[in-house]
Order: sequence, then structure tokens, then C-alpha cells
Amino acid sequence: EVQMVESGGGLVNPGGSLRLSCEASGFTFSVYPMNWVRQAPGKGLEWVSSISSSGSSIYYADSVKGRFTISRDNTKNSLYLQMNSLRVEDTAVYYCARESRDGFHMDYWGQGTLATVSS
Amino acid sequence: QSALTQPASVSGSPGQSITISCSGTSSDVGGSKYVSWYQQHPGKAPKLMISDVSNRPSGVSNRFSGSKSGNTASLTISGLQAEDEADYYCNSYSSSSTYVFGTGTKVTVL
Repeated sequence: EVQMVESGGGLVNPGGSLRLSCEASGFTFSVYPMNWVRQAPGKGLEWVSSISSSGSSIYYADSVKGRFTISRDNTKNSLYLQMNSLRVEDTAVYYCARESRDGFHMDYWGQGTLATVSS
Repeated sequence: QSALTQPASVSGSPGQSITISCSGTSSDVGGSKYVSWYQQHPGKAPKLMISDVSNRPSGVSNRFSGSKSGNTASLTISGLQAEDEADYYCNSYSSSSTYVFGTGTKVTVL
């Protein structure tokens, strides 16, 4: 069974940092591109970042470019999101999502982890 | 990276059909084969319902169908059921190798 479990969320002050993790199981993690998608409380989905299976290709939404860094460790079946210079508007549930190998869509999602930026 | 435009809400009675629109530009919806739709129930993770404009993943009811014309994609739910009440989001892979989601549509079953 495909499973992804996010962790690392919590409460942080504006300007602070958080590192989110996503541990995958039930599939060959190393051959799938992965994504982070977030959802602010009561709001819609927002794509944040994607990384290719090898980690060689990385893309970011303009809203997080220069502040967030996506990475992966295929030996640990894990995806990461380092979030620096956090702003109140970064408060959201962060989902990791597997990208299908046969098209550009996200076929499996984790349950999400909540990151709250507040003083 | 502006969000795709969806109606805020759509409603219908059980058994009816409803259609949700998703309007973008030639840089995303209009120029992409990769438009997908996601269903999200309250407090749950999104679930893929349609990929590549009109492909239905295994396990998704055939009451869900997708299409595209120009810069606008559509999701149709036929034979509306109570369990279909949820939020729906379209998504497009864009020419800049990024994704963009729609603003989201709340479907209410009357």
C-alpha cells in the first residue's frame, strides 16, 4: 500500500525556520518525482515545489522561491522541505504528493502536517 | 502563476448532473495535455479523480468525466450522490514546468 507520512510541522515565529519531512513506503520511492502542496486554513490548494526522481531538477512557486528548499534522500525514502524566513502567510497544512510516472499529475497524497507561523 | 478560475460553488439534487469549469490561459490549461482534477472532503487529503484532461484512474467512479475546450477545462459529475459533496480543484502543468491549481469549487448536494 502506498503511504506517505509528513512530519515536522509546528509553531514558529515569523522569520524563523522549519524542516518538514515526508517518509514514503509501499512503492519504489527513488523512481518517482515528488511535490509539496500547501493549503492555508480555509483556503485552496497551492503547489509549492517539485523535485525529480534523482533530485537533479527542482522547481518552486514564486511565493517561496529563495526561502524554501526541497530535497530528497532516496536511501531513506524521504522527501524534505526546508522553510526559512517564514511569514505569517506561510501558515498552512503541507502535503507531500507523489507525481505519476505516466503524466503530470499527483496520484497519491500524504495526510499533511500543519505549520503555523505566528508571534 | 495565477490560480486557475473556478466557480466558488455548484449545487445539484441527487441524480442530477453538474459541471465545474476551470479557466486558465494558453500557458497552462490551453497549452497543456496535463489537466487534472482532485476531490477533497473536509479534513482529508485531496484525491485524484481525473488526469490528463479526461482519464479516470482505476477505482474512480465512471460518473466523473473530464474535458477541455480552449483555455477552459471541465469536470462533470453525473448521477450526483451525497458522497460527492466535497471541494473540487483543477490543476494544470504549465509551460514553465510548474503546477497551478484552481481556486476550488464547493459542491453541495441538495
